[in-house]
Amino acid sequence: DAGITQSPRHKVTETGTPVTLRCHQTENHRYMYWYRQDPGHGLRLIHYSYGVKDTDKGEVSDGYSVSRSKTEDFLLTLESATSSQTSVYFCAISEGRMGGAQDTQYFGPGTRLTVL
Amino acid sequence: GDSVTQMEGPVTLSEEAFLTINCTYTATGYPSLFWYVQYPGEGLQLLLKATKADDKGSNKGFEATYRKETTSFHLEKGSVQVSDSAVYFCALKDTGGFKTIFGAGTRLFVKA
Repeated sequence: DAGITQSPRHKVTETGTPVTLRCHQTENHRYMYWYRQDPGHGLRLIHYSYGVKDTDKGEVSDGYSVSRSKTEDFLLTLESATSSQTSVYFCAISEGRMGGAQDTQYFGPGTRLTVL
Repeated sequence: GDSVTQMEGPVTLSEEAFLTINCTYTATGYPSLFWYVQYPGEGLQLLLKATKADDKGSNKGFEATYRKETTSFHLEKGSVQVSDSAVYFCALKDTGGFKTIFGAGTRLFVKA
């Protein structure tokens, strides 16, 4: 199994509070991703990173920011949490080989976030 | 843009039944195609993949063939088990892209 951990695994917070989720990998993979999973929507990409300090937006990036100061860590921050951000959040990594089409994504166990 | 469409679930089968989950895709380049599986309470994990037309991916009794002429990558298993109950995601990744495009997922229930 790929070495990916997410913390916390569960969190309950209140509307308007900041929240940071952490993804940590031990595989030294170049690419890291944050997704959210909601019933009826499948997986939606929030942000991704293609190297230290190199990040870009996904399809549902509003209300979220990310940072990657080290290869192994990718942080997702909700600056001011809202109830619509209640979801299960998954981190994923991939090697980022040349061309990239064959890259498999490896997923963390997920963080269940509830915003009251 | 690129997209993946898979059959809506849930799919409910009895143990030892034959499984097909349909997946079709739209892509501008020459994508690789994947099936991921998500067991309850876990993250997604790769089930199988195919990187070019006519390739067959296989794993744990599951198979899928990359059909460029029909832009399809249907998942099949000859005899399902209760332990196969999970959500299955079809996905594609295009050459040079950073992102994987996922289908909406199909939930499978297998009854003993």
